[in-house]
Formats: sequence, structure tokens, C-alpha cells
Amino acid sequence: AQKITQTQPGMFVQEKEAVTLDCTYDTSDPSYGLFWYKQPSSGEMIFLIYQGSYDQQNATEGRYSLNFQKARKSANLVISASQLGDSAMYFCAIGNAGGTSYGKLTFGQGTILTVHP
Amino acid sequence: DAGVTQSPTHLIKTRGQQVTLRCSPKSGHDTVSWYQQALGQGPQFIFQYYEEEERQRGNFPDRFSGHQFPNYSSELNVNALLLGDSALYLCAGHRGPYNEQFFGPGTRLTVL
Repeated sequence: AQKITQTQPGMFVQEKEAVTLDCTYDTSDPSYGLFWYKQPSSGEMIFLIYQGSYDQQNATEGRYSLNFQKARKSANLVISASQLGDSAMYFCAIGNAGGTSYGKLTFGQGTILTVHP
Repeated sequence: DAGVTQSPTHLIKTRGQQVTLRCSPKSGHDTVSWYQQALGQGPQFIFQYYEEEERQRGNFPDRFSGHQFPNYSSELNVNALLLGDSALYLCAGHRGPYNEQFFGPGTRLTVL
């Protein structure tokens, strides 16, 4: 079974500063993917960034980067230069690329990020 | 290219009733997964459809069933609704061996 743990129920950051959202995971599968999604109050899950378990370099997508530490089983999301529009719920998720769990995502409990002006 | 669409956006039902939710994935996405998200929680996997068959299922009772059509769109049916079925229901589409999933806006179901 796969598990995601997000230990920060809420985080606050000043506009234009960087913030790190924590995520640890547990899986026995050698091949997996880690995802971060943003969920505004409207409810839609917006894909932010993906990291494959065999990727050598940390993933980056614009202001988002994923700090992947495989030995520690952590996949923290770093948002640089925070904007007011970044205020939302953020979910970390893990999924498999194959096998019986193909395409199934397991989500954490989420972290509410609030950006202050 | 249209994104993932879901209908209806909101729905109110009473206990014991049945409900059908609909989802159309993005063009080219042949796999549809359904998730239930209770208030304040992360989404929970219900089941996944590929080639018009249920490929895998999460820990949900048989009251939850689904269907996928030849055009890859999908339905989620819930029978004998319980108060605890009140949630946001999300569908997500993807294709092939990549499990990066693109979600729809969700259907918010309220059971009274």
C-alpha cells in the first residue's frame, strides 16, 4: 500500500517570498511517481509538477520546484516568489506507472497555503 | 482543446435515492479515474475505467458503479445514497503508461 503524509495543515507566507510545503511518502514499489496538485476554493485540482522515482534531477515548472530526496522518502514542493493567487489547498500524491495500481493516485491530507500581501 | 468536463456541477439528493454523475476527459485521454473528496480531506480513489471496463477499484462498496463509453466519457452511479456520500466527486483523465492525471471541476453532491 502507498501512503502520503503532509504534516503541515496550514502555512503562511509573505507575498514575493518562497515557501516549502512538506510531503513524505511510503511505498514498496520500486517505480512510482510523485505529484503536486493545487486546489483553489472552486474545487478543481490543478496539476503543478511531477517527479518520477528514477529521475536524476529535481523537477521544476516555472515557480514550482520539487525537492526530491529518495533516501528520506520526501518530495517537498517549493514555491518561489509567492503570489496572492497561490493561496489554495495543496495536495501531494503518489502513483504507479504500472502493475495493478496503474494510474491510481493516493493523496495526502493537504496543506492550506495563505499568501499575505 | 476542451479540458475535462463534469456534469452536473451541484446536486442535492435525499437518502436512498440514486445519482448519476458524468465526465468527459480531454481529447486523447482514454482512461478515466473517479475520486471522492470529503470536506477537508484528500481525494480517495473510487475506481478506474479503461477500454470500457473497470480496471481497478478502491475501497468503496458495490453501491458505487460506473461505465465508460466508446468515446472515453464515463459515468459514476451511486445507489441507495447515504448521508456520508456527500462529497465532491472528481474525475480525472489520462492516457497510456503515464499516470499524470488531469482533473475536472468536480460535482458537489449533497445528500439530505
